[in-house]
Amino acid sequence: DIQMTQSPSTLSASVGDRVTITCRASQSISNWLAWYQQKPGKAPKLLIYKASSLESGVPSRFSGSGSGTEFTLTISSLQPDDFATYYCQQYNGYSYTFGQGTKVEIK
Amino acid sequence: QVQLVQSGAEVKKPGASVKVSCKASGYTFTSYDVNWVRQATGQGLEWMGWMNPNSGNTGYAQKFQGRVSMTRNTSINTAYMELSSLRSEDTAVYYCARYIAAAGKVDYWGQGALVTVSS
Repeated sequence: DIQMTQSPSTLSASVGDRVTITCRASQSISNWLAWYQQKPGKAPKLLIYKASSLESGVPSRFSGSGSGTEFTLTISSLQPDDFATYYCQQYNGYSYTFGQGTKVEIK
Repeated sequence: QVQLVQSGAEVKKPGASVKVSCKASGYTFTSYDVNWVRQATGQGLEWMGWMNPNSGNTGYAQKFQGRVSMTRNTSINTAYMELSSLRSEDTAVYYCARYIAAAGKVDYWGQGALVTVSS
């Protein structure tokens, strides 16, 4: 199976900060990568798909980039509602895997 | 509107099996794959497998091969995930989700079903 490595595991930031989360794949996945936001007790919410496509209704402060094995999720100006855990997931082949998650905490 | 409604919480003994259902509405059930994902308390998301409701074809994560079965009943727009030989480490919230293969995205999720494995 393809392994996905996210970094950092935890990130402390303030409202208004620019935040970047990285996800690395153990082999090339082209652009078959999605990013999700999850809050406690809730199902994940899709933010970005195909590495850089913004899901409908998601604020434009979220953006994704990358291809092959290295990907990033950027929040341009962190808002109070953005404190949550973020996961990447690869969709290459027939076995899909998540990164271990990045918790964005209030500094 | 698209909805995925899952069955309720279950408590099972070690060694037993559990079958979680996921009823789809608001779209053509056979047009999109269903993925199953689980999350133990305080842990990350773990992908379990996918099922194509049209063909019945499935693909499972290696970790669950031989222990998981994903099926469907197209007459009632419902997907099922059955996990056998349960152990305490299987205690988790189990989610079903709609997967759009052409876009490589899971866009709708069920509310989750808590499965507790305890003697």
